Amino acid sequence: DGGITQSPKYLFRKEGQNVTLSCEQNLNHDAMYWYRQDPGQGLRLIYYSQIVNDFQKGDIAEGYSVSREKKESFPLTVTSAQKNPTAFYLCASSTGLAGITGELFFGEGSRLTVL
Amino acid sequence: EDKVVQSPLSLVVHEGDTVTLNCSYEVTNFRSLLWYKQEKKAPTFLFMLTSSGIEKKSGRLSSILDKKELFSILNITATQTGDSAIYLCAVLYYGNNRLAFGKGNQVVVIP
Repeated sequence: DGGITQSPKYLFRKEGQNVTLSCEQNLNHDAMYWYRQDPGQGLRLIYYSQIVNDFQKGDIAEGYSVSREKKESFPLTVTSAQKNPTAFYLCASSTGLAGITGELFFGEGSRLTVL
Repeated sequence: EDKVVQSPLSLVVHEGDTVTLNCSYEVTNFRSLLWYKQEKKAPTFLFMLTSSGIEKKSGRLSSILDKKELFSILNITATQTGDSAIYLCAVLYYGNNRLAFGKGNQVVVIP
């Protein structure tokens, strides 16, 4: 079945360590997104990519990095520079520029806890 | 600064009640407004609203957009416990497929 797969679902990290969250989609979508969700804060955009080999910073990109080497994959690295990385991270995709519906398809999320 | 503001942030209702959720926005390059429902993890799409005054319905849920006053309403009638969720409003920008979300409306429906 088509969808978005995020892994791992739960991750614990020590302070000072980098960690990479995986996001894979088989929907043939051009655009992919990473959001962070904290209690009472809604979803905040970290990075997004409209096409392979291109990505843009969102509202809270500091301390994060991404790559988009393949259409299907958009991994997010949470670096040690991120001051408060404990959060729920959601990856999403959409059809992109042509025939835009605005609808995002979300993965099940990854919950990162920094010890 | 662009804003997407939802109210109320949380509410508790009894089964059978009607719920009205509000989303107001101040953004440049507005294209559409979207509503999502988040029960546990992955938000699921409910509605996309682009034109003013046209109500969209899906079962007991309905939504409408007012582009003059810059807000949208999501109504849930005859609420059920399965309607308990966070309802997220998002604004879609022209040109870059970017969605900006509000903080969400947390709805709890008690039997």
